[in-house]
Amino acid sequence: DADVTQTPRNRITKTGKRIMLECSQTKGHDRMYWYRQDPGLGLRLIYYSFDVKDINKGEISDGYSVSRQAQAKFSLSLESAIPNQTALYFCATSDFPGGGQTTDTQYFGPGTRLTVL
Amino acid sequence: EDQVTQSPEALRLQEGESSSLNCSYTVSGLRGLFWYRQDPGKGPEFLFTLYSAGEEKEKERLKATLTKKESFLHITAPKPEDSATYLCAALTGGGNKLTFGTGTQLKVEL
Repeated sequence: DADVTQTPRNRITKTGKRIMLECSQTKGHDRMYWYRQDPGLGLRLIYYSFDVKDINKGEISDGYSVSRQAQAKFSLSLESAIPNQTALYFCATSDFPGGGQTTDTQYFGPGTRLTVL
Repeated sequence: EDQVTQSPEALRLQEGESSSLNCSYTVSGLRGLFWYRQDPGKGPEFLFTLYSAGEEKEKERLKATLTKKESFLHITAPKPEDSATYLCAALTGGGNKLTFGTGTQLKVEL
């Protein structure tokens, strides 16, 4: 089974609709992230959470909100979807670095392809 | 503003034809340089982390190196299954901020 799962994998919706993307992980990691990927722009961070009570905005959080329901679950919501939110959305997780390690590695889910008409 | 630039955007190689992908970065306080592989319709798959200039890491036909301004991903005798988009990302700051490049799309032909 995949360590990081995302649902749905594909979604087509209309402008103005509310939509939720869900991410679950079995890696036991505390840290979770939401990114979007657009052609020519690379991956950009939307929100991140270091634990259930800690949620932070990334570089492009406008128009999005998140909920960390449990250590293993992190949801991304678009309250009123608009066409320029059409993109690939990825969830990622990482563990807290310890033992003298200075960085932690982010592991990505399979992605959700979202189309807003 | 942190910036990561990858070149070339696309690369076509014959099987066995070795080459290198470049990742140049301008960031404040690099904590790590990551390489990922991404296949069409899938999430990025972790390959390497490099922490300091001069460091090298290898995995099968891939070797990643790091200097103070750039990183290279060397591909030795590539095979068609190495075809993918290769992403690099620079980690900075206390918030685990990853700044990604736009990737190099590699195609290896028989």
